[in-house]
Amino acid sequence: AQKVTQAQTEISVVEKEDVTLDCVYETRDTTYYLFWYKQPPSGELVFLIRRNSFDEQNEISGRYSWNFQKSTSSFNFTITASQVVDSAVYFCALPANAGGTSYGKLTFGQGTILTVHP
Amino acid sequence: NAGVMQNPRHLVRRRGQEARLRCSPMKGHSHVYWYRQLPEEGLKFMVYLQKENIIDESGMPKERFSAEFPKEGPSILRIQQVVRGDSAAYFCASSPMGAAKNIQYFGAGTRLSVL
Repeated sequence: AQKVTQAQTEISVVEKEDVTLDCVYETRDTTYYLFWYKQPPSGELVFLIRRNSFDEQNEISGRYSWNFQKSTSSFNFTITASQVVDSAVYFCALPANAGGTSYGKLTFGQGTILTVHP
Repeated sequence: NAGVMQNPRHLVRRRGQEARLRCSPMKGHSHVYWYRQLPEEGLKFMVYLQKENIIDESGMPKERFSAEFPKEGPSILRIQQVVRGDSAAYFCASSPMGAAKNIQYFGAGTRLSVL
């Protein structure tokens, strides 16, 4: 069965600090996809990134970067120079494996609450 | 291009009443997923539907809950005889295909409160 663990329940930082959110996953698939979503205080879920397992190149988008390590089953998310607007709950997610056929049913981690103080 | 639309945003029901939650997927998307976010818990999958078909309902409670996605109109998540434990945020997501690689775009959710 798929499993996603976000061990950090809450993180609190001061503006301009860098912060890394951890995500560790379990899957029997040899190829798979991973996702990060953001849930700001307003409550909606916002897609951030999709990563496939056969591309280990790290990805950077502005202040956001992602470090995918297949060997340790981790897909960590770093925010550089954090801002108050980054305050949100962040979820890591992994699609299902149903009898060898992966499809979109997502298993989410428990989420990490990030609070950025001014 | 409008995103995933869910309504109502907030729904208050008394115990024993029925709750109907609606979800209109993004234009061109024919795959819909429902997830529930209970207080102090993460997001849990409930059901996956394509037009006129339920593909996977393994996350749905066996009683009182049902879902549909008709040929025309929005997807509906129906909860009959609601109880306090049903109070949660219910999210709908849509994607153009059902494969694992497809991004699911989420609606803003419906917050159900059962009095």
